[in-house]
Order: sequence, then C-alpha cells, then structure tokens
Amino acid sequence: QQPVQSPQAVILREGEDAVINCSSSKALYSVHWYRQKHGEAPVFLMILLKGGEQKGHEKISASFNEKKQQSSLYLTASQLSYSGTYFCGVTGAGSYQLTFGKGTKLSVIP
Amino acid sequence: SQTIHQWPATLVQPVGSPLSLECTVEGTSNPNLYWYRQAAGRGLQLLFYSVGIGQISSEVPQNLSASRPQDRQFILSSKKLLLSDSGFYLCAWSASLDRGQETQYFGPGTRLLVL
Repeated sequence: QQPVQSPQAVILREGEDAVINCSSSKALYSVHWYRQKHGEAPVFLMILLKGGEQKGHEKISASFNEKKQQSSLYLTASQLSYSGTYFCGVTGAGSYQLTFGKGTKLSVIP
Repeated sequence: SQTIHQWPATLVQPVGSPLSLECTVEGTSNPNLYWYRQAAGRGLQLLFYSVGIGQISSEVPQNLSASRPQDRQFILSSKKLLLSDSGFYLCAWSASLDRGQETQYFGPGTRLLVL
C-alpha cells in the first residue's frame, strides 16, 4: 500500500525550514528518502530502520516514529539546491519491495 | 565504485512496436536489480525485481517482461507497445543484504515516448 506524503508541494525562501511527512497504514521496517530533480534520476538521501532512530545528512535529517508508522524529513536553512521532488519509499519486514509515495515538490526561491 | 548504466537515454516508438531497454551494473557482484516506471509528474512504480540470474518477480501485470541473462544485466522488453507505456523507466540496484535494509541506487533512466 502506497505511503501518504504531505504536503504535496511547498515553496520556501532561502534559509527557511521545511518538514515533509510520510505515513503508512502498514507496519514499516524501513523508510528510504530520495530527492529527484527535474528530468533526473532519484538520488538517495538516507535510510531509517525500525527502531525510531534519527539520522542526519548535512542540514537534512529524518526521524522514524515506529508507533505512528510515520517518518519525517527535516530540511533546515534551505538552499536553492534543495529544490526538487522528495520521495519516501517504505518496506515491510522481509521485503525487497520499496513502495514509494507520490512525492513532495519543494521549491526554494531567492 | 559501483556504476549503473541505462540505454538508450531517450526513445520514441510507434504503438505496436517492440521494446528493449538495457541496464548494466559495474563494480559489484550479485546485486538485486529493479525496474521502475515513472509517469509524467507521478511517483515511482515498481515493475520487476530480480535477486539473481533468471529470477524475476513481477509486481504489476502488463504487457512488459524482464529478463536477467547475466549477473549484472537487466533487460526490460515488450512485444507490442501501448500508448500507456510512455514514461521514464528507471533501473536500480542494491546490495544483497538483509531485506528492507538495502539502499537502492538508480540509473540515469530512459525516457520513452510511444506515439
């Protein structure tokens, strides 16, 4: 079942912060976050495993709330290069299959 | 380091024509391989995945098929293309680790337009 991402789109000015959420109705084993720029392939950002850990990558970090079956991606002090569509992909236990959400389009303007 | 290649980069084909897209991975052995399709402005839909030579799992019934003739080669085919087959086709690979923990790395993609 496809995870639900929110918001669908967001516009930020440089330096502002954003949060993108990814929720599933099924028990999750892992959550994978990707960013895709227009016309390009998705680029891996980070993976979070069952256990509620939080990971960081420069000014982009994420959390995994096992009880809520939800992950959130945090972008702080946004830069123009952060623009793109962010996808979360989720797996259940013992599965190779990544099921992706519909994406959140992030636009950072000067 | 690992590299994933896809070709062709773009393709325009008439309805009813055959299709063959190729994906190869370098710098790793026994990878898991995946084919995804992304329609314009949409998310990523998993079409096929393979955990070894000759082992193909299909996720969505359709007029497409996949084959893995060699360890690091994954081919997507169709005998007769439909208009609805248009889209951005992405191949991805992951290491054979515990299921659900593998990071998938995407190739550059093939943009297919069926007219």
